[in-house]
Amino acid sequence: GENVEQHPSTLSVQEGDSAVIKCTYSDSASNYFPWYKQELGKGPQLIIDIRSNVGEKKDQRIAVTLNKTAKHFSLHITETQPEDSAVYFCAAIEDYGGSQGNLIFGKGTKLSVKP
Amino acid sequence: DGGITQSPKYLFRKEGQNVTLSCEQNLNHDAMYWYRQDPGQGLRLIYYSQIVNDFQKGDIAEGYSVSREKKESFPLTVTSAQKNPTAFYLCASSILAFAAWDTQYFGPGTRLTVL
Repeated sequence: GENVEQHPSTLSVQEGDSAVIKCTYSDSASNYFPWYKQELGKGPQLIIDIRSNVGEKKDQRIAVTLNKTAKHFSLHITETQPEDSAVYFCAAIEDYGGSQGNLIFGKGTKLSVKP
Repeated sequence: DGGITQSPKYLFRKEGQNVTLSCEQNLNHDAMYWYRQDPGQGLRLIYYSQIVNDFQKGDIAEGYSVSREKKESFPLTVTSAQKNPTAFYLCASSILAFAAWDTQYFGPGTRLTVL
Protein backbone atom coordinates (compact mmCIF):
# COMPACT_ATOMS: atom_id res chain seq x y z
CA GLY A 1 0.00 0.00 0.00
CA GLU A 2 0.86 3.66 -0.18
CA ASN A 3 3.24 5.22 2.34
CA VAL A 4 3.81 8.96 2.64
CA GLU A 5 6.83 10.45 4.40
CA GLN A 6 6.87 14.16 5.29
CA HIS A 7 9.80 16.38 6.31
CA PRO A 8 10.59 18.33 8.36
CA SER A 9 8.32 17.69 11.33
CA THR A 10 8.84 21.26 12.56
CA LEU A 11 9.91 24.36 10.68
CA SER A 12 10.55 27.84 12.02
CA VAL A 13 11.05 30.81 9.69
CA GLN A 14 11.16 34.58 9.96
CA GLU A 15 8.27 36.55 8.57
CA GLY A 16 8.89 37.26 4.90
CA ASP A 17 11.10 34.23 4.33
CA SER A 18 10.12 31.20 2.28
CA ALA A 19 9.13 27.82 3.69
CA VAL A 20 9.46 24.46 1.94
CA ILE A 21 7.90 21.19 3.06
CA LYS A 22 8.74 17.94 1.27
CA CYS A 23 6.89 14.65 0.93
CA THR A 24 7.77 11.35 -0.67
CA TYR A 25 5.39 8.56 -1.60
CA SER A 26 5.88 4.90 -2.36
CA ASP A 27 3.17 3.91 -4.83
CA SER A 28 4.01 4.95 -8.38
CA ALA A 29 0.31 4.62 -9.29
CA SER A 30 -0.62 7.55 -7.05
CA ASN A 31 -1.93 10.44 -9.10
CA TYR A 32 -3.47 13.02 -6.78
CA PHE A 33 -1.59 14.99 -4.11
CA PRO A 34 -3.44 17.47 -1.88
CA TRP A 35 -2.00 19.71 0.83
CA TYR A 36 -4.01 20.59 3.93
CA LYS A 37 -3.51 23.31 6.55
CA GLN A 38 -4.71 22.68 10.10
CA GLU A 39 -4.96 25.45 12.64
CA LEU A 40 -4.99 24.63 16.33
CA GLY A 41 -8.20 22.90 17.42
CA LYS A 42 -9.72 22.94 13.94
CA GLY A 43 -10.19 20.53 11.07
CA PRO A 44 -7.78 20.53 8.12
CA GLN A 45 -8.53 22.73 5.11
CA LEU A 46 -7.37 22.09 1.57
CA ILE A 47 -4.96 24.80 0.42
CA ILE A 48 -3.70 23.41 -2.88
CA ASP A 49 -3.56 20.16 -4.80
CA ILE A 50 -1.81 18.75 -7.84
CA ARG A 51 -2.50 15.89 -10.19
CA SER A 52 0.06 13.66 -11.81
CA ASN A 53 -0.25 15.20 -15.26
CA VAL A 54 1.05 18.55 -13.94
CA GLY A 55 4.54 19.35 -12.66
CA GLU A 56 3.80 22.59 -10.83
CA LYS A 57 0.82 24.58 -9.64
CA LYS A 58 0.68 28.05 -8.06
CA ASP A 59 -1.91 29.96 -6.10
CA GLN A 60 -0.70 33.39 -4.97
CA ARG A 61 2.02 32.75 -2.33
CA ILE A 62 1.60 28.98 -2.40
CA ALA A 63 3.02 26.56 -4.94
CA VAL A 64 3.32 22.80 -5.19
CA THR A 65 5.80 20.89 -7.34
CA LEU A 66 5.65 17.23 -8.29
CA ASN A 67 8.45 14.95 -9.47
CA LYS A 68 6.84 11.66 -10.49
CA THR A 69 10.13 10.02 -11.39
CA ALA A 70 11.54 10.60 -7.93
CA LYS A 71 8.12 10.17 -6.28
CA HIS A 72 8.25 13.36 -4.29
CA PHE A 73 6.25 16.55 -4.09
CA SER A 74 6.83 19.79 -2.22
CA LEU A 75 4.90 22.74 -0.83
CA HIS A 76 6.45 26.18 -1.20
CA ILE A 77 5.19 29.20 0.73
CA THR A 78 6.75 32.54 -0.17
CA GLU A 79 6.66 35.79 1.80
CA THR A 80 5.48 33.97 4.91
CA GLN A 81 3.18 35.74 7.36
CA PRO A 82 2.35 34.95 11.01
CA GLU A 83 -1.08 33.67 9.93
CA ASP A 84 0.68 30.94 7.93
CA SER A 85 1.62 29.35 11.27
CA ALA A 86 -0.18 25.99 11.41
CA VAL A 87 0.34 22.28 10.84
CA TYR A 88 0.56 21.30 7.19
CA PHE A 89 -0.23 17.80 5.91
CA CYS A 90 0.55 16.29 2.54
CA ALA A 91 -1.39 13.33 1.22
CA ALA A 92 -1.43 10.97 -1.72
CA ILE A 93 -4.17 8.95 -3.29
CA GLU A 94 -4.40 6.24 -5.86
CA ASP A 95 -7.36 6.43 -8.18
CA TYR A 96 -8.55 2.91 -8.81
CA GLY A 97 -10.43 4.06 -11.88
CA GLY A 98 -13.93 4.40 -10.59
CA SER A 99 -13.67 3.03 -7.07
CA GLN A 100 -12.60 4.99 -4.06
CA GLY A 101 -8.94 5.08 -3.17
CA ASN A 102 -7.96 6.23 0.29
CA LEU A 103 -6.08 9.40 1.15
CA ILE A 104 -2.81 8.50 2.88
CA PHE A 105 -1.49 11.40 4.97
CA GLY A 106 1.99 12.38 6.03
CA LYS A 107 2.58 12.99 9.72
CA GLY A 108 2.49 16.76 9.38
CA THR A 109 4.84 19.74 9.60
CA LYS A 110 4.36 22.36 12.29
CA LEU A 111 5.26 25.69 10.70
CA SER A 112 6.00 28.67 12.94
CA VAL A 113 6.42 32.11 11.38
CA LYS A 114 8.13 34.55 13.72
CA PRO A 115 7.25 38.24 13.36
CA ASP B 1 -15.44 24.13 8.22
CA GLY B 2 -18.10 24.58 5.55
CA GLY B 3 -21.40 22.90 6.23
CA ILE B 4 -20.01 20.03 8.28
CA THR B 5 -20.82 19.99 11.97
CA GLN B 6 -19.45 17.68 14.61
CA SER B 7 -20.74 17.49 18.11
CA PRO B 8 -19.75 17.70 20.81
CA LYS B 9 -16.41 19.51 20.53
CA TYR B 10 -15.11 17.80 23.70
CA LEU B 11 -16.28 14.48 25.05
CA PHE B 12 -15.30 12.62 28.18
CA ARG B 13 -16.20 9.03 28.85
CA LYS B 14 -15.31 6.34 31.34
CA GLU B 15 -13.36 3.33 30.18
CA GLY B 16 -15.58 0.51 28.98
CA GLN B 17 -18.42 2.75 27.79
CA ASN B 18 -19.52 3.05 24.19
CA VAL B 19 -19.78 6.59 22.85
CA THR B 20 -21.25 7.99 19.63
CA LEU B 21 -19.80 10.98 17.81
CA SER B 22 -22.09 12.99 15.58
CA CYS B 23 -21.30 14.22 12.06
CA GLU B 24 -23.82 16.14 9.96
CA GLN B 25 -23.40 17.88 6.61
CA ASN B 26 -25.80 20.10 4.69
CA LEU B 27 -23.65 20.24 1.55
CA ASN B 28 -25.50 17.45 -0.25
CA HIS B 29 -22.23 15.54 -0.50
CA ASP B 30 -22.39 11.88 -1.43
CA ALA B 31 -19.30 10.57 0.35
CA MET B 32 -18.43 10.86 4.04
CA TYR B 33 -15.38 9.80 6.06
CA TRP B 34 -14.14 9.37 9.60
CA TYR B 35 -10.49 9.92 10.51
CA ARG B 36 -8.57 9.62 13.74
CA GLN B 37 -5.73 12.00 14.60
CA ASP B 38 -3.17 11.36 17.34
CA PRO B 39 -0.50 13.87 18.48
CA GLY B 40 2.35 14.06 15.99
CA GLN B 41 0.56 11.71 13.61
CA GLY B 42 -1.18 12.13 10.33
CA LEU B 43 -4.82 11.37 9.82
CA ARG B 44 -5.80 7.71 9.65
CA LEU B 45 -8.98 6.51 7.98
CA ILE B 46 -11.48 4.65 10.17
CA TYR B 47 -14.53 4.21 7.94
CA TYR B 48 -16.00 5.77 4.83
CA SER B 49 -19.32 5.76 3.04
CA GLN B 50 -20.01 6.41 -0.62
CA ILE B 51 -23.80 6.23 -0.53
CA VAL B 52 -26.63 5.79 1.94
CA ASN B 53 -26.79 2.40 3.65
CA ASP B 54 -23.28 1.50 2.49
CA PHE B 55 -19.90 1.90 4.18
CA GLN B 56 -16.43 0.37 4.07
CA LYS B 57 -13.67 -0.16 6.61
CA GLY B 58 -10.61 2.02 6.49
CA ASP B 59 -7.16 1.26 7.82
CA ILE B 60 -8.06 1.24 11.54
CA ALA B 61 -11.70 0.12 11.77
CA GLU B 62 -11.30 -2.28 14.71
CA GLY B 63 -13.27 -1.13 17.74
CA TYR B 64 -15.41 1.31 15.76
CA SER B 65 -18.80 1.12 14.04
CA VAL B 66 -20.76 3.47 11.78
CA SER B 67 -24.12 3.84 10.08
CA ARG B 68 -25.33 5.85 7.09
CA GLU B 69 -29.12 5.88 7.25
CA LYS B 70 -29.36 9.40 5.85
CA LYS B 71 -27.22 11.17 3.27
CA GLU B 72 -26.44 14.04 5.63
CA SER B 73 -25.50 12.01 8.70
CA PHE B 74 -22.62 9.62 9.42
CA PRO B 75 -22.32 8.89 13.17
CA LEU B 76 -19.30 7.04 14.57
CA THR B 77 -19.54 4.78 17.62
CA VAL B 78 -16.38 4.15 19.59
CA THR B 79 -16.92 0.84 21.34
CA SER B 80 -15.33 -0.60 24.45
CA ALA B 81 -13.33 -2.89 22.16
CA GLN B 82 -11.23 0.06 20.98
CA LYS B 83 -7.99 -0.31 22.94
CA ASN B 84 -6.89 3.31 22.94
CA PRO B 85 -9.86 5.55 22.09
CA THR B 86 -8.51 8.88 23.36
CA ALA B 87 -7.88 10.95 20.21
CA PHE B 88 -9.10 13.78 17.99
CA TYR B 89 -11.79 12.54 15.58
CA LEU B 90 -12.41 14.24 12.27
CA CYS B 91 -15.34 13.81 9.92
CA ALA B 92 -15.07 14.77 6.24
CA SER B 93 -17.22 14.73 3.14
CA SER B 94 -16.75 15.03 -0.60
CA ILE B 95 -19.16 15.93 -3.36
CA LEU B 96 -18.86 12.82 -5.46
CA ALA B 97 -18.99 9.16 -4.60
CA PHE B 98 -16.44 6.80 -6.10
CA ALA B 99 -14.13 9.67 -7.07
CA ALA B 100 -10.78 9.24 -5.40
CA TRP B 101 -9.54 12.66 -6.57
CA ASP B 102 -12.46 14.66 -5.18
CA THR B 103 -11.65 17.23 -2.50
CA GLN B 104 -12.47 16.23 1.04
CA TYR B 105 -13.89 18.92 3.34
CA PHE B 106 -13.34 18.48 7.06
CA GLY B 107 -15.46 19.28 10.08
CA PRO B 108 -14.07 20.97 13.23
CA GLY B 109 -13.45 17.68 15.03
CA THR B 110 -14.36 16.08 18.36
CA ARG B 111 -11.75 15.52 21.03
CA LEU B 112 -12.57 12.32 22.92
CA THR B 113 -10.93 11.62 26.25
CA VAL B 114 -11.48 8.30 27.96
CA LEU B 115 -10.83 8.43 31.68
